[in-house]
Order: sequence, then structure tokens, then C-alpha cells
Amino acid sequence: RKEVEQDPGPFNVPEGATVAFNCTYSNSASQSFFWYRQDCRKEPKLLMSVYSSGNEDGRFTAQLNRASQYISLLIRDSKLSDSATYLCVVSPGSGAGSYQLTFGKGTKLSVIP
Amino acid sequence: EADIYQTPRYLVIGTGKKITLECSQTMGHDKMYWYQQDPGMELHLIHYSYGVNSTEKGDLSSESTVSRIRTEHFPLTLESARPSHTSQYLCASRFIGPNTEAFFGQGTRLTVV
Repeated sequence: RKEVEQDPGPFNVPEGATVAFNCTYSNSASQSFFWYRQDCRKEPKLLMSVYSSGNEDGRFTAQLNRASQYISLLIRDSKLSDSATYLCVVSPGSGAGSYQLTFGKGTKLSVIP
Repeated sequence: EADIYQTPRYLVIGTGKKITLECSQTMGHDKMYWYQQDPGMELHLIHYSYGVNSTEKGDLSSESTVSRIRTEHFPLTLESARPSHTSQYLCASRFIGPNTEAFFGQGTRLTVV
């Protein structure tokens, strides 16, 4: 089983739709979780960190489920500008291997007019 | 905006040449990383560093080498470039500690002809 797994997509959704991505991780010691966004031929940029209690930033909501070892990203009212690849990132956070940032392969989202 | 810089942004070079890709950050980050990414594909960790005089190989075998003589500087060197080295190289940095995000440079797109 891969350390971090994501559905590669592509997810093709109309403008205004709500779309959700899941990401599963295998290391139960993981402490830090992030969603990054990567536009075509650009560098990844942090979209949001994922906290235990879940967190929201405008149209974006991130959730963490430690028991089932997955994190999710919900995008409401999709915009054309949301088209990108969304990367799930997991880290042990502390202790041995705390350097590690394990990236998923990414989920490609295309928002269509 | 992240204060992490990569030069050059684009490089086309002949087979057998020695090249050094530069990466500098002004955020005082301890950890630095080099990733390799082909178009539309996942990120692969090739080198990382905990701090000055610390370098380790990543998950993907690479013929490149790195050095970390100063906190802010993490150059990557290819002694003899080959067409198989054609790819995008992304540098990243972050602080040690939980829930610390990584910041990426804009990348160097290398083409070996």
C-alpha cells in the first residue's frame, strides 16, 4: 500500500459545483497534513493545513479522520480558476523522520464553463 | 510570497556537461529538499538536508549531488548531464517542527540535448 493515495482523476465539474477529494495515508504516526495546489508547469503552493478539528477557508473545507486515516478537501461553488492538481501531503511532524513530507500523486480538477 | 529562489529557471545544455542548479532561501529554514518532477507526474524526493553539513539521498535514486555549507543555500550538481536528466527540479524548504509548511521555489526546467 502506498504511503499516501489519491484518486488521480481527472474530475471534470461545471462551474458552481461542489467537489470533494479524499486522500488516505498509511502511517498512523502522521501528525501534519496539508493540501497543496499545483498549476500546470508551476511549483506547488500551500492551499491549507488540515487540523484535527477540521478547518475552513472561504470555499475550501478540509477534514481529518484519524481513525480511518484519511483527509478530505471540499470545494464549494467551483470557479474556473480552481482548475489545478491538488496534492495531499502528510508528515510525521516530529521525532525520527520528521523531515519527511510525503506527497500524493495529486488529483486533477478541471472546472468547465 | 515565499523567499526561496532557484536559478536558472530554464536551462538547455549538451550531454556530458557539468551543471549546478542553485537554490537559496532567506527564511532561515533548517530543512531543504530537492524534488524531481516530469510533466503531469508526481514529485520525487531526490535529496534533503536537516541543516548545515547534513545531506541525505531521497526516495528516488539520482546521479546528482548536493551540499549544504550555508543554511540558506542548497545547490544541486550533475557532474555529467544526460538526456535522461531532462526534467523539472523543484527546491523546497521548511522549519523543523510539526505543522510547518514547505515553501517551493519556482523550479528549474532542465533539458539535456
